[in-house]
Amino acid sequence: GQQLNQSPQSMFIQEGEDVSMNCTSSSIFNTWLWYKQDPGEGPVLLIALYKAGELTSNGRLTAQFGITRKDSFLNISASIPSDVGIYFCAGQVTAGGTSYGKLTFGQGTILTVHP
Amino acid sequence: GAGVSQSPSNKVTEKGKDVELRCDPISGHTALYWYRQSLGQGLEFLIYFQGNSAPDKSGLPSDRFSAERTGGSVSTLTIQRTQQEDSAVYLCASSAGHPPLHFGNGTRLTVT
Repeated sequence: GQQLNQSPQSMFIQEGEDVSMNCTSSSIFNTWLWYKQDPGEGPVLLIALYKAGELTSNGRLTAQFGITRKDSFLNISASIPSDVGIYFCAGQVTAGGTSYGKLTFGQGTILTVHP
Repeated sequence: GAGVSQSPSNKVTEKGKDVELRCDPISGHTALYWYRQSLGQGLEFLIYFQGNSAPDKSGLPSDRFSAERTGGSVSTLTIQRTQQEDSAVYLCASSAGHPPLHFGNGTRLTVT
């Protein structure tokens, strides 16, 4: 089945630093999503990307849908302590209307921000 | 509330018992999904509902797992004869028929 390789697995940074994480796949996806998960909670959507080459920002977050449709990255600028959490990429393929919304998730990037 | 609601938030059960996990999706969302998250892992797809039917059950790990949805709203995930490897966080998500998915806070299941 489809697999997503997300890297890095973990990051330890100082407050104010920029962060970059990415996901690659052996298969093409039609949609890329980035989620953040805090302890004891479900993943919360950060950014959704629907078109190859699309670059989207949400505050200090920027994400891009790779041209090949097999990769995506997420950048966080000027990190703050509340950015701590686990970040997941997810890719989705539509095929004739079936399995719609069936997301394949990366393994997650654990982000720690030191004040 | 406005979000996806799951109950119970925590469930401890003995090996061999049956458990039922409940999901209340966002009102009006036609699509509902169940995912499983094991410790330190990403999310594993279990089943997808469109309305009350489940066109994709490919992620259910064994015939001990089943799910139903009634009235195009509430869904129940049932695990029969629970095993220790079933211990995980079970997450429900809903959407208006297309991404993105909105997740609940999950049910943490512990099988002793």
